[in-house]
Amino acid sequence: DAEITQSPRHKITETGRQVTLACHQTWNHNNMFWYRQDLGHGLRLIHYSYGVQDTNKGEVSDGYSVSRSNTEDLPLTLESAASSQTSVYFCASSEGGLSTDTQYFGPGTRLTVL
Amino acid sequence: GNSVTQMEGPVTLSEEAFLTINCTYTATGYPSLFWYVQYPGEGLQLLLKATKADDKGSNKGFEATYRKETTSFHLEKGSVQVSDSAVYFCALMGDFGNEKLTFGTGTRLTIIP
Repeated sequence: DAEITQSPRHKITETGRQVTLACHQTWNHNNMFWYRQDLGHGLRLIHYSYGVQDTNKGEVSDGYSVSRSNTEDLPLTLESAASSQTSVYFCASSEGGLSTDTQYFGPGTRLTVL
Repeated sequence: GNSVTQMEGPVTLSEEAFLTINCTYTATGYPSLFWYVQYPGEGLQLLLKATKADDKGSNKGFEATYRKETTSFHLEKGSVQVSDSAVYFCALMGDFGNEKLTFGTGTRLTIIP
């Protein structure tokens, strides 16, 4: 079955370290998204991509970067981790091309920055 | 810009009670509206959606009607079960070419037997 996976599921790192969170989908979806979930804020969009080589900043993009070299993967990199980036991160994908698209979410990565 | 305002929780109900979770939105154009549900320790999954005014989305006994005149998309269920305990998110997606979701803050629902 097609799916969307994230790794690692849990990560503890130190302030200042570079961290990369992986997201992989097997639906051949054009659109991919990264969100962070924090209490009181719901989900906020970090970066998104509408296709290979396309990346765009979301609402809370400072300190994060993404690259899209193929259809299946959109890794999220924290260049220099900060305690404010402790959060649960969700990746999502959608087929693309329709404003009625359903986004499918991965299981999430819980990141703790000490 | 687009925004979603959602009823604050947490909400605690007894089994078989009637549920309403309020959601209102601000958006330009003709957005699509969604309810997502997050069970403990899991990612979000689509519960229901409506893509135009007066549409009713429904799934698993839950319903929500897209009301353009009141810019609302309230979630309802006639008789809740313990298994409905989860966090519920209202969200909107903009017009074609703006396929990003804007989420409300989420409402934690707990059903007690």
